[in-house]
Amino acid sequence: QVQLVESGGDLVKPGGSLRLSCAASGFTFSDYYMTWIRQAPGKGLEWISYISNTGSTIHYADSVKGRFTISRDNAKSSLYLQMNSLRADDAAVYYCAKGYGSTWAFDYWGQGTLVTVSS
Amino acid sequence: IQLTQSPSSLSASVGDRVTITCRASQGIRSYLAWYQQKPGKAPKLLIYAASTLQSGVPSRFSGGGSGTDFTLTISSLQPEDFATYYCQQFSGYFTWTFGQGTKVEIK
Repeated sequence: QVQLVESGGDLVKPGGSLRLSCAASGFTFSDYYMTWIRQAPGKGLEWISYISNTGSTIHYADSVKGRFTISRDNAKSSLYLQMNSLRADDAAVYYCAKGYGSTWAFDYWGQGTLVTVSS
Repeated sequence: IQLTQSPSSLSASVGDRVTITCRASQGIRSYLAWYQQKPGKAPKLLIYAASTLQSGVPSRFSGGGSGTDFTLTISSLQPEDFATYYCQQFSGYFTWTFGQGTKVEIK
């Protein structure tokens, strides 16, 4: 069955960096686009980044553009999010989610990894 | 494009019919999805393409609408349906937006 497992969340100081990973299994990872979505404590969902199945097309929300970098390694069935210049408002649970083809919805989500930004 | 859900929260009883509305700030194609999220859990896809029920989702859930106004209806609320519901749209330019969420609570 499809599984997405995020890791890498941690407590980091403002201005610091963190790299999140998402290990995928149960489907042909290289066939699907992937995204990162975050949820600040007690708040709603915010889409932050998209990467096509080959990695050739990438998009970011304005809130993270220039600070975050999405990437993938299809040989390892893994998705990554490099987060630099972290701010207090980046604190959230970060989810990776699998694209659902031309529906442009997300049919599988990981359990999330918590990023805390505090001095 | 902004999505506004109404109401932000509601109280209902088991067996009630519940409708949640998602309004877009401008007309969108039917790339509209609905998710259910329970506390401490990841969201779960319920509906995509505005009205198509995701596999395995009970038929008491239904979606509708077009243009700027979309709805999620639960025909007969069950105890396991108490959760927060989000609508989500795809802009067509590889960006996505979520509504602010509707919390469905037990009356």
